[in-house]
Amino acid sequence: QVQLVQSGGGVVQPGRSLRLSCAASGFPFSNYAMHWARQAPGKGLEWVAIISFEVNNKWYADSVRGRFTISRDNSKNTLYLQMDSLTTEDTAVYYCAKSQTEGGGPFDYWGQGTLVRVSS
Amino acid sequence: EIVLTQSPGTLSLSPGERATLSCRASQSVSTTYLAWYQQKPGQAPRLLIYGTSNRATGIPYRFSGSGSGTDFTLTISGLEPEDFAVYYCQQYGRSFTFGQGTKLEIK
Repeated sequence: QVQLVQSGGGVVQPGRSLRLSCAASGFPFSNYAMHWARQAPGKGLEWVAIISFEVNNKWYADSVRGRFTISRDNSKNTLYLQMDSLTTEDTAVYYCAKSQTEGGGPFDYWGQGTLVRVSS
Repeated sequence: EIVLTQSPGTLSLSPGERATLSCRASQSVSTTYLAWYQQKPGQAPRLLIYGTSNRATGIPYRFSGSGSGTDFTLTISGLEPEDFAVYYCQQYGRSFTFGQGTKLEIK
């Protein structure tokens, strides 16, 4: 069965960096686009970034563009989110999610989520 | 950016009743690119409906979606206790945006 297991996260000071990982199994990882989304405490869902199945194409939400970098290692079936210049507004539960297609599509499987708290 | 506005914010119903949740887009969305998710406390969202009216794998028949243009609806026929949760609509045609959510609570 499809599994997305997240790691990373924790408490970090403003201006610092953090990297999240998402290990995928149960499907041909290299065939599907992958996403990161987030949810601030008590708030709704916000899409963060997408990376195409072939690695070359990446898109970001305006709120993170220039600070966050999405990447993937298809040989390791792992998705990453490098988060730099973090601010308190980046505090949220971060989810990785699988696209239903090789490109943009609905998110048919989600990781368990990992909390990132930006605080001094 | 396409803004999705969901209504009502909170819907109070009893088990067995029918729930109708609305999602209105700030501009037209192709029916191909509208989805609904369910989220329970402490859990990741779960895909319910994609392409406006297609049930995702394993989703019960009581969940159905409809709509076109700027107005979309999620209907839950015969609420079960496990259906009380927060529901989000999402468009994935032009970038990706979510509505703010509708909380379905037990009356």
